[in-house]
Amino acid sequence: KNQVEQSPQSLIILEGKNCTLQCNYTVSPFSNLRWYKQDTGRGPVSLTIMTFSENTKSNGRYTATLDADTKQSSLHITASQLSDSASYICVVSVTDSWGKLQFGAGTQVVVTP
Amino acid sequence: DGGITQSPKYLFRKEGQNVTLSCEQNLNHDAMYWYRQDPGQGLRLIYYSQIVNDFQKGDIAEGYSVSREKKESFPLTVTSAQKNPTAFYLCASSKVVPGMNTEAFFGQGTRLTVV
Repeated sequence: KNQVEQSPQSLIILEGKNCTLQCNYTVSPFSNLRWYKQDTGRGPVSLTIMTFSENTKSNGRYTATLDADTKQSSLHITASQLSDSASYICVVSVTDSWGKLQFGAGTQVVVTP
Repeated sequence: DGGITQSPKYLFRKEGQNVTLSCEQNLNHDAMYWYRQDPGQGLRLIYYSQIVNDFQKGDIAEGYSVSREKKESFPLTVTSAQKNPTAFYLCASSKVVPGMNTEAFFGQGTRLTVV
């Protein structure tokens, strides 16, 4: 069973609108959580990284939140642009000697004009 | 420019053939990884290597083999024993810092298709 669940699986939004993606995880012990953006046919690129002590992290129009108690994270995209069309992947690191990554299946975002 | 390079971008394989995917990094990272990505699924770990001449099986290693003769290179061979090799393959690398989980940097991927 995947230890990182993302929702929704996909969504379509109008250019200029905001949207929020969800990530729930059961990975333990938790080290940190990253959100990656993956354009079609390309490798993922890191957007944000948060440890268990951080609640919010921003990167331009992307804002990630983390609630380590409920094991939930969200990624909010503000004023979406056509270039935001991509898959957004939640990645959780396990606290061990060298860090094994647990990947969510991703949320496919399509921004339309 | 520093980075991680995968080649080729597209690869076609006949059934029964072995093929090798290349991954090279000039980031001076100790750790390298190979992942497989299928539609609707998260990335799954095939093999990983923390140091030269050492590597470990990931979650789906059957039908794959790797080598780590140089720090910069971590080639993946998809053997004929892999029953469903058509997928998008991603290579990544990261620093190894004791007690910390450092960011993984990904290559641009290789799309393998069995014909």
